[in-house]
Amino acid sequence: ETGVTQTPRHLVMGMTNKKSLKCEQHLGHNAMYWYKQSAKKPLELMFVYSLEERVENNSVPSRFSPECPNSSHLFLHLHTLQPEDSALYLCASSQLAGAETQYFGPGTRLLVL
Amino acid sequence: GQQVMQIPQYQHVQEGEDFTTYCNSSTTLSNIQWYKQRPGGHPVFLIQLVKSGEVKKQKRLTFQFGEAKKNSSLHITATQTTDVGTYFCAGRISGYSTLTFGKGTMLLVSP
Repeated sequence: ETGVTQTPRHLVMGMTNKKSLKCEQHLGHNAMYWYKQSAKKPLELMFVYSLEERVENNSVPSRFSPECPNSSHLFLHLHTLQPEDSALYLCASSQLAGAETQYFGPGTRLLVL
Repeated sequence: GQQVMQIPQYQHVQEGEDFTTYCNSSTTLSNIQWYKQRPGGHPVFLIQLVKSGEVKKQKRLTFQFGEAKKNSSLHITATQTTDVGTYFCAGRISGYSTLTFGKGTMLLVSP
């Protein structure tokens, strides 16, 4: 619908697991973002990529590792997560990095046991 | 860090009543955007305001950007059950390169 897809839509993982979230945008945009949305917090910007280069990292723990192999794909590699990392992880894209209109994917709902 | 504050956090109205959510920043915003997130869904862009004092309308929704570009509001006239969701404002704070989102206002509309 929005041109931004995310897989998987739901993920349950143990604290010792390693998993990856995938985002793909079909809009020809040059910037991609990872956000974390928890129940009682605002949308938290995690990472920003512009033209495949990371331009912002908002003090995210190293157990989250982003990867942007090209301008259409964005990954978030997860390892040794904590239960408090359970949240909705949203990917977004925009034409340019900055204050451009952002188009969000449907999100991956992550539960860490 | 810099924040964009949004009030109220939650509002429950009867269908047909009006609704307003407010967004405030302590510093000047380059622009303000509004997004709507339906329950179980993801944020969807509604509108962007750029000019001081700007007012834009989308059917029953009226968006305003303050003269000082530090606050904004979204007003819904005669709410409908389809208006249910969380409304987020997001602004670009001067000196920052990306948008800062407010916590959102969750709107419930009873038929």
